[in-house]
Amino acid sequence: AQKITKTQPGMFVQEKEAVTLDCTYDTSDQSYGLFWYKQPSSGEMIFLIYQGSYDEQNATEGRYSLNFQKARKSANLVISASQLGDSAMYFCAMSEGGDMRFGAGTRLTVKP
Amino acid sequence: GAGVSQSPSNKVTEKGKDVELRCDPISGHTALYWYRQSLGQGLEFLIYFQGNSAPDKSGLPSDRFSAERTGGSVSTLTIQRTQQEDSAVYLCASSLELARPSTDTQYFGPGTRLTVL
Repeated sequence: AQKITKTQPGMFVQEKEAVTLDCTYDTSDQSYGLFWYKQPSSGEMIFLIYQGSYDEQNATEGRYSLNFQKARKSANLVISASQLGDSAMYFCAMSEGGDMRFGAGTRLTVKP
Repeated sequence: GAGVSQSPSNKVTEKGKDVELRCDPISGHTALYWYRQSLGQGLEFLIYFQGNSAPDKSGLPSDRFSAERTGGSVSTLTIQRTQQEDSAVYLCASSLELARPSTDTQYFGPGTRLTVL
């Protein structure tokens, strides 16, 4: 089964700087999807960005981009121009089929 | 409603009691998912439905857990004889379909916080 094998437990970044949140995964499938979700202290899960395993270009959504390195099985999230409101838990997830597997999450703290 | 809704938002129960958690997916979404998030932890996948069918129930933690979905819409997650380790936030999500499962974005509800005393 697919799984997220590594994420950082915590990261700090200065406001207005860029930050990269790491995600490595393991799968034997060729077709899968990679997702990043944000969970603020309110508890809601907010979808940020998606990357398909066959997508040749890295996904981008506003200030979010995904650095997808298929051979290395990594899907790092890059947040540009960090804002105080970006402070939250961030989860990397992958799906081969109906079930989506989440990593342990990275707590990002943006410093003013 | 516009998003996924869950009820109750909070549930406090005594050990040994049964509880029922409800999820109302986004209208038109055929796929529905249940997750559990313990305090400070990531999400643990429990079960998903395609329509009313749950192809894989292996994610359910024990036989005290069951889930059903009727009419391709509302789903209920039932926990029998609750234990203290069942305390967690139970999150429901829905997606448009499972036809291309690896591309399907899941939209989450606000969760039900279950506390077993």
